[in-house]
Amino acid sequence: AQSVTQLDSQVPVFEEAPVELRCNYSSSVSVYLFWYVQYPNQGLQLLLKYLSGSTLVKGINGFEAEFNKSQTSFHLRKPSVHISDTAEYFCAVSFSGGSNYKLTFGKGTLLTVNP
Amino acid sequence: DTEVTQTPKHLVMGMTNKKSLKCEQHMGHRAMYWYKQKAKKPPELMFVYSYEKLSINESVPSRFSPECPNSSLLNLHLHALQPEDSALYLCASSQGAGGGYTFGSGTRLTVV
Repeated sequence: AQSVTQLDSQVPVFEEAPVELRCNYSSSVSVYLFWYVQYPNQGLQLLLKYLSGSTLVKGINGFEAEFNKSQTSFHLRKPSVHISDTAEYFCAVSFSGGSNYKLTFGKGTLLTVNP
Repeated sequence: DTEVTQTPKHLVMGMTNKKSLKCEQHMGHRAMYWYKQKAKKPPELMFVYSYEKLSINESVPSRFSPECPNSSLLNLHLHALQPEDSALYLCASSQGAGGGYTFGSGTRLTVV
């Protein structure tokens, strides 16, 4: 079975500071990895995804993530955050093969950007 | 069209009511999903439809009844719900496990 652990439930930062949101996964097979953002009272928006190839993945809104197979991690980073980045961020994983399309989410990290 | 459209956006229903949530996508995705999300929690998978057939039911109570009339539409029929069923219900679609999952904006359901 696959699982996802987001190590921080809340991350407060000041505007224009860098931020890293941590995500570790566990799976006995190859996986696909995703980061989603959820603004208040909205659905989930895909930030970026890792399927294969380059371990550094760039996404929307200036976010990027690095896949580290040896550490089973997929941490999300942004060099300079804005107030508008305040939101809930979810790391998620799915199997890379078969017909099981189940997407498993971590518990989420609330990023709060303060002025 | 790269969106998943959910209607209604808000729904208040009594415990004896019957209502339906609707979801539509025109991206040609072959899998569609219903998720339930309580406040400050991650989405929890309820159902997966693959090629219009129910492939995963995560032990959801029978008061929730999914339906996939065609490859673009997904419904969730609600009957005799409980107040604890109040939540944000999210629909999603995907071409496959690696295609990324596109989520709708959700239906905020309140059971009174």
